[in-house]
Amino acid sequence: AAGVIQSPRHLIKEKRETATLKCYPIPRHDTVYWYQQGPGQDPQFLISFYEKMQSDKGSIPDRFSAQQFSDYHSELNMSSLELGDSALYFCASSSPPGSQGSDTQYFGPGTRLTVL
Amino acid sequence: AQTVTQSQPEMSVQEAETVTLSCTYDTSESNYYLFWYKQPPSRQMILVIRQEAYKQQNATENRFSVNFQKAAKSFSLKISDSQLGDTAMYFCAFKTSNTGNQFYFGTGTSLTVIP
Repeated sequence: AAGVIQSPRHLIKEKRETATLKCYPIPRHDTVYWYQQGPGQDPQFLISFYEKMQSDKGSIPDRFSAQQFSDYHSELNMSSLELGDSALYFCASSSPPGSQGSDTQYFGPGTRLTVL
Repeated sequence: AQTVTQSQPEMSVQEAETVTLSCTYDTSESNYYLFWYKQPPSRQMILVIRQEAYKQQNATENRFSVNFQKAAKSFSLKISDSQLGDTAMYFCAFKTSNTGNQFYFGTGTSLTVIP
């Protein structure tokens, strides 16, 4: 079965640079979530989108922005990168509300961002 | 506020034995969902099992089962016939119906299966 796709899998940036992470949800999933997982920590919710509109906002820094496109893929844009932004960034997707299993989030493999 | 607590940072189990990972949560909501995710060394987050709070029957998935005690707000994961591939970090997660789509994660339990 198709899974959530994230690209790139690894990314190395310098401080103050920008980065763009991409997420392609499972086919027919219309909700996308972004999480940040620091070393030895649990995933922290950043933001989610449903039908191309922001649906929930968590602990996302103002330096970060995200959007969901008409094909339901999503991009997380990160500017003025700091050393503390080094983390594993997960994207997850879920099926339309009201459909079976819509409460479950399926995670992608993550993008490992290293800021030097 | 919604919180999830995993009080066992690390656990180990002999191969083929049974192990139980604990998880407690706190919420004032009546309708919610509980999950266990597994994160092996590859760092992929893999869904292990899910439980709907309104269902009294405990969920099972092959060697994985839960003990859901709603009154006690407890949601433990039992792994039977442990295998080396079960070595991973296990996260308990929680989601309500009324507080949006956000998952609340516990801090994780690192499980090592010993040959």
